[in-house]
Amino acid sequence: QVQLMQSGAEVKKPGASVKVSCKASGYTFSNYYVNWVRQAPGQGLEWMGMVKPTGLTDYAQNFQGRVTMTTDTSTSTVYMELSTLRSEDTAMYYCARDGWLDYWGQGTLVIVSS
Amino acid sequence: DIQMTQSPSSLSASVGDRVTITCRASQGIRNDLGWYQQKPGKAPKRLIYAAFSLQSGVPSRFSGSGSGTEFTLTISSLQPEDFATYFCLQYNSYPRTFGQGTKVEIK
Repeated sequence: QVQLMQSGAEVKKPGASVKVSCKASGYTFSNYYVNWVRQAPGQGLEWMGMVKPTGLTDYAQNFQGRVTMTTDTSTSTVYMELSTLRSEDTAMYYCARDGWLDYWGQGTLVIVSS
Repeated sequence: DIQMTQSPSSLSASVGDRVTITCRASQGIRNDLGWYQQKPGKAPKRLIYAAFSLQSGVPSRFSGSGSGTEFTLTISSLQPEDFATYFCLQYNSYPRTFGQGTKVEIK
């Protein structure tokens, strides 16, 4: 079955970077791209961007210049790195498969606090 | 960007009630819309895709309708396990955008 397994929770200081991983299984990795979505506490969902298996990316304007999404086809893993963290980046970060976000990872909590 | 306006933001209902949630798109999106259920501390789970297609394994009490700019999720007979937050997603264009969510609570 399709599974997206994300890395564990992170606590970071303002100004630092965080890198979250999403390991795919149960499907042909090279056939689907992966989106990243975040949800701040008590808030709605925000699409951050997507990365194709080839490495081609499309980032939401709000995150341009601060986010980098990469893939490692040898391990079927996708990474999302967010830099220059601020307290407002405290959120649950999800990876989700393909253009219509059919399967989601379990989420990775990122806390930004001094 | 396409704006998705979801209503209501919350509702109270009883087991057995029929529940309807609406999403309106700021421009036509054909039927490129999904509905999701999210329970506290859990990842979203897709219920409906292509506006009205039921995801495999999802109970038939869930149904979707609409096309273009107006979409509806209906729960025909609310069950205890259905108390959750529901939201819509448009995947017609980038950036993908979501409705603000509807929290379904027990009356």
